[in-house]
Formats: sequence, C-alpha cells, structure tokens
Amino acid sequence: QSALTQPRSVSGSPGQSVTISCTGTSSDVGGYNYVSWYQQYPGKVPKLMIYDVIKRPSGVPDRFSGSKSGNTASLTISGLQAEDEADYYCCSYAGTSYVFGTGTQVAVL
Amino acid sequence: EVQLLESGGGLVWPGGSLRLSCAASGFTFSTYAMSWVRQAPGQGLEWVSATSYDGAVTYYTDSVKGRFTISRDNSRNTLYLQMNSLRGEDTAVYYCAKQVGGSHVYWGQGTLVTVSS
Repeated sequence: QSALTQPRSVSGSPGQSVTISCTGTSSDVGGYNYVSWYQQYPGKVPKLMIYDVIKRPSGVPDRFSGSKSGNTASLTISGLQAEDEADYYCCSYAGTSYVFGTGTQVAVL
Repeated sequence: EVQLLESGGGLVWPGGSLRLSCAASGFTFSTYAMSWVRQAPGQGLEWVSATSYDGAVTYYTDSVKGRFTISRDNSRNTLYLQMNSLRGEDTAVYYCAKQVGGSHVYWGQGTLVTVSS
C-alpha cells in the first residue's frame, strides 16, 4: 500500500496547460479504471475533479481532463486559471483498499 | 443536499481510544459505501478504511488493522470509526466520505484527532 507517486509541484502561466502524473503499479492504477483526482485548497475539504480515469462530475470545468496509460494516470489542466492554484491528489482503487498519491502543488505564475 | 458531519475528535494520550462519528443526510445512506480518509498536519491524504453499504464488508489500510474498526448504523444514518491503541502518527484530520463506485464523491468537514502526552 505505498502511496502513488506524483511530482511535488508543477507550474504554468495563465492560459497554459499543465499535466500532473500519478504513477502506481499493476495492482492499483494499472489494474483498475478507478482513478480519481481531488483538488484541495489550503485548509479546505478535498473536491472530486475526475473519476473513473476520464469522467468529470457536473460542475467541474471542462479544462480538467484525465487519462491513463499503463500504470500511470494523468490530470491535465488546459487554459490554466488563477483559481486552479491548489493541491491535487490522485487516488486509485487497489482491490481491497484505496491508495492516494503524494500530492502535487499547482502554481499559477 | 448531501451533508456529512464528523464529530468525536479531540486530544487523547498515546494508547488511548476515540470513537469518531459521521452523521449523513441528503441521500439514502443505506445504499452507499463509505470511507474514512485522514490527513496529518501539513501532509497528504491517506485512505484509512471503507465499508460496504450494509457494513458486511470492511477494508483497512495496513497501519490501522487490528486497532481501528469501521461500522455503520443505517437506521441512524451514521458511520463510525472506533480507534484503539492510538499512536502519535494517527494525529490527523479525519474525513468521512461518500463513495460512488471507486471515487470519494462527497466529503465532510473533518474532525481533528491529536494523539499526544
């Protein structure tokens, strides 16, 4: 049950695209299409942004998109906006457990 | 509107016990799996435990197995986490979350558990 690996931080200018990777194993990310992504502002509650690898809950802007290849999932934020500056966590189902990623801080320059 | 309200957190000595509660409203609680997720101060999210809609199936992260017990009372729309033999590394904000499929769709505001002498 090791945490999924994410980059500590990514950054971009407004309007640019950034991609956050989430690397696991064949027992979690690679084994199931149950990868989700959460946005968390400091001191606030996490919010679901992407579920089932690629699906977006209603109300989440379409500039957020998810994908997966093998044991690595990715979250892409296109057209970066100031309000996207937050921490992002991936999470994968792993059969009899869930495992979160290490978290990525997104900075908007 | 979905609401999840955690309670029961506080300061406890190492080796002590606490029971967290999560009162649910705004949805049919008895038909959804639920989870507990924690976040240590300044750290990332860590999944702790999950239970099926009826409480018949439960899962735990390795570090809490044998110490924590998740349960639910569907007649009271409430989720519980009994935490025994608490350690310093259990210090965290504990969130309850409603699961839909493999995702934690709604989260409560969290309750802080501090394990310290």
